[in-house]
Amino acid sequence: AQSVAQPEDQVNVAEGNPLTVKCTYSVSGNPYLFWYVQYPNRGLQFLLKYITGDNLVKGSYGFEAEFNKSQTSFHLKKPSALVSDSALYFCAVRGFSGGYNKLIFGAGTRLAVHP
Amino acid sequence: DAGVIQSPRHEVTEMGQEVTLRCKLISGHNSLFWYRQTMMRGLELLIYFNNNVPIDDSGMPEDRFSAKMPNASFSTLKIQPSEPRDSAVYFCASSLLLAGGLNEQFFGPGTRLTVL
Repeated sequence: AQSVAQPEDQVNVAEGNPLTVKCTYSVSGNPYLFWYVQYPNRGLQFLLKYITGDNLVKGSYGFEAEFNKSQTSFHLKKPSALVSDSALYFCAVRGFSGGYNKLIFGAGTRLAVHP
Repeated sequence: DAGVIQSPRHEVTEMGQEVTLRCKLISGHNSLFWYRQTMMRGLELLIYFNNNVPIDDSGMPEDRFSAKMPNASFSTLKIQPSEPRDSAVYFCASSLLLAGGLNEQFFGPGTRLTVL
């Protein structure tokens, strides 16, 4: 069965410092991996995805994620955090149901960037 | 493109009443997903449709919940009768699913449901 884990409920970072939000996955076959962000009172917004190719994927708002097959991880990173990055971040992996694909989301990690 | 449209944005109702949530997909997309988000349970997939056909409804909590997709661009999620534990934010998401592939999902703004 496919699954994704976000080991940290919350990550605290000072503005200007690099940030990392962790995600590990378990799949059979090649993983399709996604990151989404949710700002308060909003729906989830797509940030980036890994399907194949370079292990470092660049996405929206200066975020990037590193795919590591040996560690089954897909951590989200940003070189310099902004207060406006404070939000809830979800990692997701492709799952299968009824012959079709769907997304399996992690529990989410709350990122707090303080001035 | 207006994105995924959900209505109403907020709904307050009394226990036992019927609630209908609505969602309009992004033009050209062929898949629709209904999610529920609560503090306790996080983000849960309730049901998803592909080309108007329900594919996986294993997340629908019980028979009080039903979902339909009467045409390619519109879906409803109905709760009858509603209970206080149904209080949550309900999201729908739209995607273009291709054979063997998986594109990103685009989420609507959500409907915040409060059942008193």
